Amino acid sequence: AQSVTQLDSQVPVFEEAPVELRCNYSSSVSVYLFWYVQYPNQGLQLLLKYLSGSTLVKGINGFEAEFNKSQTSFHLRKPSVHISDTAEYLCAVSVPTSNTGKLIFGQGTTLQVKP
Amino acid sequence: GAGVSQSPSNKVTEKGKDVELRCDPISGHTALYWYRQSLGQGLEFLIYFQGNSAPDKSGLPSDRFSAERTGGSVSTLTIQRTQQEDSAVYLCASSFLGPNSPLHFGNGTRLTVT
Repeated sequence: AQSVTQLDSQVPVFEEAPVELRCNYSSSVSVYLFWYVQYPNQGLQLLLKYLSGSTLVKGINGFEAEFNKSQTSFHLRKPSVHISDTAEYLCAVSVPTSNTGKLIFGQGTTLQVKP
Repeated sequence: GAGVSQSPSNKVTEKGKDVELRCDPISGHTALYWYRQSLGQGLEFLIYFQGNSAPDKSGLPSDRFSAERTGGSVSTLTIQRTQQEDSAVYLCASSFLGPNSPLHFGNGTRLTVT
């Protein structure tokens, strides 16, 4: 079975500072990795995904994430955050060989950007 | 185009009552998922539909929960004899077939059991 751990439930940061949101996963098989974002009073939307190839993937709104197989991590980063980045960020995995898009999510990290 | 639509957006019900939550997926999406989002719990998978295949019900927490998908489109999640611990946001998502197709989520139904 697969599992996803987001160790930080809340991350406060000042505007224009860099941020890293951590995500670690556990799986005995290869996985696809995703980050979703949920802005206040909005639905979840895909931020970025890793399927194969380059381990550094870029997403919307200046976010990027790096897949590290040896550390089973997929941390999300942004060099300079804005107030509008305040949201909940969820890391998720799916199993390519399952032939379904079923996602296993972490508990989520709330990013709070302060002026 | 239209996204995933869920109704109602909010539902308050008394303990012991039955509730039905509706999901209209994006047209053409063959896969449909239900998730539950509880405070501090992240997103919990409930059930998955794919075309005419038998649904994956492995995430349903008890036999009080059931779901159906009619005509490969609209889905209804039913919770019988609601309990206070059922209070959560119920999210529906749809996608094309395949593990690398991103899920498109609706805005959810916030269920409060009093």
